[in-house]
Amino acid sequence: DQQVKQNSPSLSVQEGRISILNCDYTNSMFDYFLWYKKYPAEGPTFLISISSIKDKNEDGRFTVFLNKSAKHLSLHIVPSQPGDSAVYFCAASTDTSGTYKYIFGTGTRLKVLA
Amino acid sequence: NAGVTQTPKFRVLKTGQSMTLLCAQDMNHEYMYWYRQDPGMGLRLIHYSVGEGTTAKGEVPDGYNVSRLKKQNFLLGLESAAPSQTSVYFCASRDSRSSYNEQFFGPGTRLTVL
Repeated sequence: DQQVKQNSPSLSVQEGRISILNCDYTNSMFDYFLWYKKYPAEGPTFLISISSIKDKNEDGRFTVFLNKSAKHLSLHIVPSQPGDSAVYFCAASTDTSGTYKYIFGTGTRLKVLA
Repeated sequence: NAGVTQTPKFRVLKTGQSMTLLCAQDMNHEYMYWYRQDPGMGLRLIHYSVGEGTTAKGEVPDGYNVSRLKKQNFLLGLESAAPSQTSVYFCASRDSRSSYNEQFFGPGTRLTVL
């Protein structure tokens, strides 16, 4: 059973507009979440994280929102740029031992149109 | 810093052959991880290590073995490769002192088992 779900396999957005990528999870014990970006033929790179004690975290053009009651996570990119075109993965951890083993979603391919 | 490097980048094996994938990191990170990524699926954890000389199983450990004889290296072995092990393999490392708890990924190894 997929504990972390990204139900939109792809998303297209015009340059300059907002991109919203969504992630749902089923395990209420998840307490730490990350977003990664992945370009073709490269490894994922870390974007932004959020702890379950927060509902929002912002870093430049990237903002992550966490709705614990809905078990929903979203990544907002404003404004979107062509260089943001990539696959985005959300990941969640229930870690209590410090190992931070993450469960990854299946990814959403974002295409920013110039 | 080279970060996380993986050797080889590509490999084709025949069913039943064995091979070892090498991951090296120069960031002095304690934690290291091996993932596989398959089409339509997120990254799935195979094995991980919390320090030199220690290893533990992840979500999908069957058919794989690992060793962490040196802090900077994490080896993934396939003793008898099967077509189901055709995948892209990513190695990652993490600094236990990081406030973001992010993992740094290598560029991946694309393995095909015929």
